[in-house]
Amino acid sequence: EIVLTQSPGTLSLSPGERATLSCRASQSVTNNYIAWYQQTPGQAPRLLIYGASSRATGISDRFSGSGSGTDFTLTISRLEPEDFAVYYCQQHGSSPRTFGQGTKVEFK
Amino acid sequence: EVQLLESGGGLVQPGGSLRLSCVASGFTFYSYAMSWVRQAPGKGLEWVSDISGSGDYTNYADSVKGRVTISRDNSKNTLYLQMNSLRVDDTAVYYCAKEAPMTELDDWGQGTLVIVSS
Repeated sequence: EIVLTQSPGTLSLSPGERATLSCRASQSVTNNYIAWYQQTPGQAPRLLIYGASSRATGISDRFSGSGSGTDFTLTISRLEPEDFAVYYCQQHGSSPRTFGQGTKVEFK
Repeated sequence: EVQLLESGGGLVQPGGSLRLSCVASGFTFYSYAMSWVRQAPGKGLEWVSDISGSGDYTNYADSVKGRVTISRDNSKNTLYLQMNSLRVDDTAVYYCAKEAPMTELDDWGQGTLVIVSS
């Protein structure tokens, strides 16, 4: 099973700032199939990025994904108030399709 | 518009059973693999199981293997999760999700809460 470790656990930033979230895999991810999801309180997760760098339908270009092998990054270029949430990475290249433990982006 | 509506959650005693359902609409159900993902109160997401569009192939997380069975009825556009020998640590919101062609989860239901407690 591939273990995903996200860092930092919490990111304290202000609107307009850039957020950089990391996801490290315990072994190489098949086809670099890493997805990123956003979850706000009481809501279901929402797909942002898949295949490491492809944006999902309707997702703002403020969100971008990069990386390969075992190291992946989600970048939010300029934080909007609605971006303060918890973000999860998931590897969708092999079973079991594990999630990271999440990074919370909070108001500074 | 894709809609996924889960049901079947509730309070059950340890060792008990429960069957969750997820009714899908807005897409060609049999063409897509489907997943169950759960989230314990205040915790992160945990992938539970998935099933191919035909229902011929299934996968399970080690934490539920042998206790949980995923299935689907394509004539009813419905996904199921049969959970047996439930444990306290199975307490969670259970989400069903549609798998896109690259197996990312592109649509999610709102979840159904399962509480395992005596």
